[in-house]
Amino acid sequence: GAVVSQHPSRVICKSGTSVKIECRSLDFQATTMFWYRQFPKKSLMLMATSNEGSKATYEQGVEKDKFLINHASLTLSTLTVTSAHPEDSSFYICSASLGNEQFFGPGTRLTVL
Amino acid sequence: QKEVEQNSGPLSVPEGAIASLNCTYSDRVSQSFFWYRQYSGKSPELIMSIYSNGDKEDGRFTAQLNKASQYVSLLIRDSQPSDSATYLCAVREGTALIFGKGTTLSVSS
Repeated sequence: GAVVSQHPSRVICKSGTSVKIECRSLDFQATTMFWYRQFPKKSLMLMATSNEGSKATYEQGVEKDKFLINHASLTLSTLTVTSAHPEDSSFYICSASLGNEQFFGPGTRLTVL
Repeated sequence: QKEVEQNSGPLSVPEGAIASLNCTYSDRVSQSFFWYRQYSGKSPELIMSIYSNGDKEDGRFTAQLNKASQYVSLLIRDSQPSDSATYLCAVREGTALIFGKGTTLSVSS
């Protein structure tokens, strides 16, 4: 149990385009999901907390208009990186809460050319 | 600023030895603590959660919590090369987790 999937696992896009990443809890319902990014050899950085049916809560320094989060159902949250630039290239990972624990998706590696 | 501190390592142990990973946290009222394992290029995987003072064992893993001293540790017995990874300590704050920067463990065969 407690499986979280992400799609796509890897994406390469041109600068200026938008990229949507999906995060799904496969065998449980998650009222709260989280989005992280991780640069090489660095720790996880929480970007935002996504609550089903309400607006996401963004961490300080994270642009909400650039990183659009939608949590339309109890099993799906999406992160859209709008007008992506090379500095947005990173490893994006979602997680979902089940009880007191968080389970991570496999991550999406974004490369912006 | 609530913080979770870990020694970045690398911690090198021979196969079969006990690996000891330590973590300290700044928020005295924290109640929930987690250890995640992250292989290079992969996402974190939950290994252990601990909420009460003392030891919690799961297979080769033992988590230890001392709230008075504000530290939590992870012991890995009979270390295997496949245990080589970065181990992240996390402390729950509200609904979110605060992560340490991780300790890199290298188990040599």
